[in-house]
Amino acid sequence: DSGVTQTPKHLITATGQRVTLRCSPRSGDLSVYWYQQSLDQGLQFLIQYYNGEERAKGNILERFSAQQFPDLHSELNLSSLELGDSALYFCASSAGTGKFSYNEQFFGPGTRLTVL
Amino acid sequence: AQKITQTQPGMFVQEKEAVTLDCTYDTSDPSYGLFWYKQPSSGEMIFLIYQGSYDQQNATEGRYSLNFQKARKSANLVISASQLGDSAMYFCAMREGYNTDKLIFGTGTRLQVFP
Repeated sequence: DSGVTQTPKHLITATGQRVTLRCSPRSGDLSVYWYQQSLDQGLQFLIQYYNGEERAKGNILERFSAQQFPDLHSELNLSSLELGDSALYFCASSAGTGKFSYNEQFFGPGTRLTVL
Repeated sequence: AQKITQTQPGMFVQEKEAVTLDCTYDTSDPSYGLFWYKQPSSGEMIFLIYQGSYDQQNATEGRYSLNFQKARKSANLVISASQLGDSAMYFCAMREGYNTDKLIFGTGTRLQVFP
């Protein structure tokens, strides 16, 4: 158990809908990362938040947005869903400050999203 | 742009033998970190080992060691004394530069350990 929790574990929805994925980082970790794992694209970095502020952005679609709340939990919002959005979405956390140092990322169990 | 290449889509190894999983990377930044993660069939990502670009010695963690050859830009994972529970996908990842924590992942290698 990495200490990172994600809910829900599975999510099945229809095209055009909107969903929210939730992540609670390990106790004390200030950074939260979101990754998408799909058969087509592999594991891709989406976005990072550090202590409530966006720190880095990857290949995140405009239909997707995220935020990190004062209690450090994070939510990833996916809207106008398409079939291609079906994937395993991981949240990870680290103590990371963004400065170069050894900052292991601990991954949550993932949320499997299926868009029908 | 940074890139991670894992050329072995699948590998087989007999229990108790050692196996090497290949990883090459491409970056122009002198400061970077290399990670290996394991993903069993249950789906979670498990951190295995880390190597920093300025580390003088190869990293080791129990049965895992990282064969870091900087000039060749390779960071191969060596698993000694393979166990059936080592059967999983293995991903090599890189973090580049001073001001980012984001990881770039390779496509992974599926390792199967047989008795």
